[in-house]
Amino acid sequence: GAGVSQSPSNKVTEKGKDVELRCDPISGHTALYWYRQSLGQGLEFLIYFQGNSAPDKSGLPSDRFSAERTGGSVSTLTIQRTQQEDSAVYLCASSLAGQTNYGYTFGSGTRLTVV
Amino acid sequence: AQSVSQHNHHVILSEAASLELGCNYSYGGTVNLFWYVQYPGQHLQLLLKYFSGDPLVKGIKGFEAEFIKSKFSFNLRKPSVQWSDTAEYFCAVNALLHGNNRLAFGKGNQVVVIP
Repeated sequence: GAGVSQSPSNKVTEKGKDVELRCDPISGHTALYWYRQSLGQGLEFLIYFQGNSAPDKSGLPSDRFSAERTGGSVSTLTIQRTQQEDSAVYLCASSLAGQTNYGYTFGSGTRLTVV
Repeated sequence: AQSVSQHNHHVILSEAASLELGCNYSYGGTVNLFWYVQYPGQHLQLLLKYFSGDPLVKGIKGFEAEFIKSKFSFNLRKPSVQWSDTAEYFCAVNALLHGNNRLAFGKGNQVVVIP
């Protein structure tokens, strides 16, 4: 597609429920990133996928968070047993492999509210 | 710890005033540097970037930034702001020495321009 597409744009869930957030990167971009944006906290790195390599999961805050990328394209971020502190905007970005010096293209994000 | 620092999280100024936002990073070696902007209700967009050459880089909408290696800084400037510059601004660094392709972001500067 023309840009990075994320769905849903907004998600309200009850504490303890599982949620899945979807990211569809730009066609041909083999690198995909998930970040979390909390008020006043900037962007927190979560996970990075590069082609068929093992993902860099070093930013995931707990084992309730996981992500996968199927077929080197679409990615799903799953949060199990959601907590109120998980409320944030979850951003996905993609870039050409090995060319992060050109920066990322971001999606519009999914605003997650845990009540 | 390696980090990206942005000071003065909230900035309020009048139209035609000059703007300077500071960005300092603690990574050694070769770095790629970026400023992103997020206008209200919109996704993050690349404002400008530096990876080599002239340390004074020009971006969109009259913004510029200067890389000063000795100070580990990449400050953003605009001589005369407009109301439409109201946005949140994020500095980001890609530390090539550490072999990773992720961007580390600062916490952002919320800029409000009063007409």
